[in-house]
Amino acid sequence: DAGITQSPRHKVTETGTPVTLRCHQTENHRYMYWYRQDPGHGLRLIHYSYGVKDTDKGEVSDGYSVSRSKTEDFLLTLESATSSQTSVYFCAIPSGEGNPGELFFGEGSRLTVL
Amino acid sequence: QQQVKQSPQSLIVQKGGISIINCAYENTAFDYFPWYQQFPGKGPALLIAIRPDVSEKKEGRFTISFNKSAKQFSLHIMDSQPGDSATYFCAASIRNTDKLIFGTGTRLQVFP
Repeated sequence: DAGITQSPRHKVTETGTPVTLRCHQTENHRYMYWYRQDPGHGLRLIHYSYGVKDTDKGEVSDGYSVSRSKTEDFLLTLESATSSQTSVYFCAIPSGEGNPGELFFGEGSRLTVL
Repeated sequence: QQQVKQSPQSLIVQKGGISIINCAYENTAFDYFPWYQQFPGKGPALLIAIRPDVSEKKEGRFTISFNKSAKQFSLHIMDSQPGDSATYFCAASIRNTDKLIFGTGTRLQVFP
């Protein structure tokens, strides 16, 4: 998708291994978000960032950490992956229209933890 | 209560029919209500949104109806088409925060 690139798009890993997902934006937005999507739960906010080195927790932050060392990159790290973290992860940025809750999402990173 | 309850979980509609998806909330701090459309393998995409001081918003075949007193809002898709087959999420934004709460999603299938 124009504006956001997520990598990797697919990953299979084993329980206990560290995993890092990357979100790269070309829109120079201050805000960036990480969501996870699971059947029956919709999308849930994991962490978000409101500037370089400025991050905050969302609804489901346990087991996840994030880092934002430059405006364009927002990294999501699972220090020790568990099977409950098998999910599709989406990065998002504001759509640019100025209305709250209007986000532009990347295409997702599908993570399977065996 | 920071939940948005969405129903039905799945919906099958004949081509040309009306698709209706309902959402309800409790938190009066919600002040913006977007709907997202998601096709398989893609990220959600903003479809249409409404503020609570408006009772209805229409964009093409898509209409949001909003009932502030009942704390309910719904998406109506008129003249539903097979290309509308997707998963739809309602959402609500919390006033003065960066938090967006999503419903659990409705899988819509439109058959020709």
